[in-house]
Amino acid sequence: GNSVTQMEGPVTLSEEAFLTINCTYTATGYPSLFWYVQYPGEGLQLLLKATKADDKGSNKGFEATYRKETTSFHLEKGSVQVSDSAVYFCALSEGAQKLVFGQGTRLTINP
Amino acid sequence: DARVTQTPRHKVTEMGQEVTMRCQPILGHNTVFWYRQTMMQGLELLAYFRNRAPLDDSGMPKDRFSAEMPDATLATLKIQPSEPRDSAVYFCASGYRGLDTDTQYFGPGTRLTVL
Repeated sequence: GNSVTQMEGPVTLSEEAFLTINCTYTATGYPSLFWYVQYPGEGLQLLLKATKADDKGSNKGFEATYRKETTSFHLEKGSVQVSDSAVYFCALSEGAQKLVFGQGTRLTINP
Repeated sequence: DARVTQTPRHKVTEMGQEVTMRCQPILGHNTVFWYRQTMMQGLELLAYFRNRAPLDDSGMPKDRFSAEMPDATLATLKIQPSEPRDSAVYFCASGYRGLDTDTQYFGPGTRLTVL
């Protein structure tokens, strides 16, 4: 079946550091790929998405590129802020609007 | 700013009691999802509906859980009887099939504690 694997957390960085959170997937067909973010005490929010190979999703300084050849969708940000501290989920669409989520990566940014 | 709303936000109950969680999807959305989030299992899909009809509830323990959509503006998830292992955060999400097809919009969740 379809699956998503994220790098294990927690990840702790200093403010202004470069961020990469790895995400790889296994899927049949050509799923859309997503990054969702969950701040403490809140629900998941869509951060960015990409619907086909080589698409780049971007939002709030975060970027991820749909790499079909490596089945990856790594999340990157050039300079993180304390306010980026959250749990990040990679996900793929499984058709009929169903999403398969990774296990989440907790990110903590220290000032 | 359209949002998914969930009530209650927090619920503490005793084992054996009935629990009902409610969700109001974004107006105009035709698909509703129920998820459960725990530290051990992560995010699990329990059930989902399209146009108020259940499409998949294979993730839900059938003996004690039930999900319904009495109308397009209300989805409910009921646990009867509740057990301590049901303690989790339950999220509702909605989406629209046909435009921006795969994106789901999540509510703030109901944190359930069963003693």
